[in-house]
Amino acid sequence: NAGVTQTPKFRILKIGQSMTLQCAQDMNHNYMYWYRQDPGMGLKLIYYSVGAGITDKGEVPNGYNVSRSTTEDFPLRLELAAPSQTSVYFCASTGGPGELFFGEGSRLTVL
Amino acid sequence: GDSVTQMEGPVTLSEEAFLTINCTYTATGYPSLFWYVQYPGEGLQLLLKATKADDKGSNKGFEATYRKETTSFHLEKGSVQVSDSAVYFCALLGRWGKFQFGAGTQVVVTP
Repeated sequence: NAGVTQTPKFRILKIGQSMTLQCAQDMNHNYMYWYRQDPGMGLKLIYYSVGAGITDKGEVPNGYNVSRSTTEDFPLRLELAAPSQTSVYFCASTGGPGELFFGEGSRLTVL
Repeated sequence: GDSVTQMEGPVTLSEEAFLTINCTYTATGYPSLFWYVQYPGEGLQLLLKATKADDKGSNKGFEATYRKETTSFHLEKGSVQVSDSAVYFCALLGRWGKFQFGAGTQVVVTP
């Protein structure tokens, strides 16, 4: 099984550029999440989704957008990138009150 | 809203010492509770979980008991090893599917 697949793994953006981080899971999980982890810090929830067509804000949603048109995909859009968005981004999914399956992470640098 | 608070690190211990990491939560209803571990340079892995009050999760010598009366889920290990050096995250899955993490506690075990 592929599990949770995130692309790209690394990206450098200039201030003001936009990009989309892709996330796909093949486990038919309803719940999907985007987190960011700054160096030496914990995970902050950006957005989450409990099913196709349903999304909700987490702790730090400003500067980001998401959509969930299918069960499998949960892309994260960054509009007008800022240096404060330099971080490692993790996508994760779960089928219920159990283990969260994480992608390998996407390291984003905004210069 | 839901939140998780855990003790700040780093926690530095000698090998074979007793480890406790405190975690308390605020949530509506009865969340599921988790401990995740992140080894250097790796992603997060599920360590243990508990889905209802008085449940005890255990794995690899670690234990945590879901205490509804004190809204706590403290992690303990009786005798740590150098290989237990990692960052430990307390997390909850709340009523509306929101999966949130604490700030993480770094544990350093010295020989």
